[in-house]
Order: sequence, then C-alpha cells, then structure tokens
Amino acid sequence: DAKTTQPPSMDCAEGRAANLPCNHSTISGNEYVYWYRQIHSQGPQYIIHGLKNNETNEMASLIITEDRKSSTLILPHATLRDTAVYYCIVSRDYNQGGKLIFGQGTELSVKP
Amino acid sequence: DTEVTQTPKHLVMGMTNKKSLKCEQHMGHRAMYWYKQKAKKPPELMFVYSYEKLSINESVPSRFSPECPNSSLLNLHLHALQPEDSALYLCASSQDRDTDTQYFGPGTRLTVL
Repeated sequence: DAKTTQPPSMDCAEGRAANLPCNHSTISGNEYVYWYRQIHSQGPQYIIHGLKNNETNEMASLIITEDRKSSTLILPHATLRDTAVYYCIVSRDYNQGGKLIFGQGTELSVKP
Repeated sequence: DTEVTQTPKHLVMGMTNKKSLKCEQHMGHRAMYWYKQKAKKPPELMFVYSYEKLSINESVPSRFSPECPNSSLLNLHLHALQPEDSALYLCASSQDRDTDTQYFGPGTRLTVL
C-alpha cells in the first residue's frame, strides 16, 4: 500500500503559487520522495524528486521537512495547464526494484 | 528525446478477439513497464521488464501476455479479455530497474465489449 497521504483536491488561482502537501510519516531513511503529475487522459509525467535536501528544477520546487515526514511540492506560478492530478510517491520495495506505488493523489484545479 | 510512444491510442475489442498493444522508447532505457489505470484511480503496476527479461509480474491474469522483443520495444498481447479489463494501459521506461524516474507513454485506451 502507498505510504503517502495527500488532500484529494485543491484549487489555485492562475499566476499564484500552488503548494501541494504530502505526508509520509513512515518513510525510511533510504527512500526518496518522488512527485509525478497526470494531466487528464495522458500518461503520468515526472516532476521532481529528493531525499533530504530541498530541490528545484524548471518545473517545481520540493521542500522536505527536516524529519522527512512530510514534503511540499511548489509550483511557483501556476497556469491553467498545471491542472492535473499530482502524485506523491515514497513507497518502493527494494526487493522488487522500479516499483512505483501510486497513492490517490491530489487533483489540482488552477482557475483563471 | 524523452518520449515513450504507444500504439494504438484507442482500441475496441470483443471478448473473443486477440490484439496487441505496442510500446517503444529510444532513450536506451533497460527497464520497461506496463501499468493499468481504471477511471478515477491511480496507475497499478502489471509487469516490469529488466534487460529484456520479465522481472516482476504483479499476479496479472494470463489473458495478458507481455513480450519484450528487444530493448526498445514492449508488447502486451491480449486474448479473451473481459469487460472489466477496459482501462487505460500505460507503458513506461526507466534507465534501469532500480531507477524510479520513469517516463510514461500517453497510454492506450482499451474498451472490451
């Protein structure tokens, strides 16, 4: 089972920052936090990942708390095209590598 | 090029038909995956291929038969499916089996009548 908890839905005004929270209180020391998103009827898209430190790329920033029990994905200037389901993933069985276990995700609606 | 392509985009088949889904990537990735996604649900892993060998089978019924002819291609052969198998079938690839950064294709929307 997925080891993440995300709000089922969120709204964000266009041009504002979207902050998507994720709780992963049982995360292990060697597990990364991954974020993917899925725009309606498309395949999931990799966004960003991190272990301990905050990370930033051209799409988003990832803030991980010091105890690693939660994280926040930040889309700095949300656009209508950012409307999607966002998945936070930390569960990975090292005995069966490459196994992404998707939780229910957060449906982000960016509104004009 | 970070593209994974899937054909066909849509497929409608009867329960007695045999059809195949195709997936292709040219990123040099050595791990490839099939996922199944029902409406309003997250993707669920079906199969993992690593270096062209089946690595993980998530207890998928035998009416789904995966095949990896070479490192760039992944097929999913379908036979005697049920209406409840209707779903979006997603293919993904990653550099290797231990890499969680997976690149997904757009999926094939399958309808079983």
